Amino acid sequence: KAGVTQTPRYLIKTRGQQVTLSCSPISGHRSVSWYQQTPGQGLQFLFEYFSETQRNKGNFPGRFSGRQFSNSRSEMNVSTLELGDSALYLCASSLFPGNQETQYFGPGTRLLVL
Amino acid sequence: QQQVKQSPQSLIVQKGGISIINCAYENTAFDYFPWYQQFPGKGPALLIAIRPDVSEKKEGRFTISFNKSAKQFSLHIMDSQPGDSATYFCAATKGGNTPLVFGKGTRLSVIA
Repeated sequence: KAGVTQTPRYLIKTRGQQVTLSCSPISGHRSVSWYQQTPGQGLQFLFEYFSETQRNKGNFPGRFSGRQFSNSRSEMNVSTLELGDSALYLCASSLFPGNQETQYFGPGTRLLVL
Repeated sequence: QQQVKQSPQSLIVQKGGISIINCAYENTAFDYFPWYQQFPGKGPALLIAIRPDVSEKKEGRFTISFNKSAKQFSLHIMDSQPGDSATYFCAATKGGNTPLVFGKGTRLSVIA
């Protein structure tokens, strides 16, 4: 069974640009969560999607947005990039929301903002 | 406000020794406490988890000890091996549809 896949794996952008990251969940998993990982703040929850609806949102500015498609694939978008957005962005999928026992993380997309 | 505090930040253990990582939480509504292991270039992977109705859970060389009154839980890695060298995260959630809250991680190095 294929794991969670994230594309691209690495990305370099400049301040002010926008970026879109993609996540394909494990087959059969319908819930997708996004996390930001930085050395200073650790892992912080961004948002969770289920059935194409945002079910939960973390404490991030509106520049961070996401969506989920009917096949459960998800994208997150960051507009007007800032230097502080440099981080590893992790996607995790689970069978349904709140089911951490079945939650698996992808390898992440490492974003560098210059 | 950091809801889950993890210590130490880094840990060096001799091969065959016991690695101990501690976490403390504030929210008494938390009812699920997992530990994750992350290797460089990989996402975190669920290692072991506990619910507050038990004080200890063991899976192979990994044990979680849970102290509900002190609002603390810890991960013990027995007979630590170089392959255990990774970053470990504790986390907590109050279930339902609430997301995980993570500690800031402990970088473990097991040296021969």
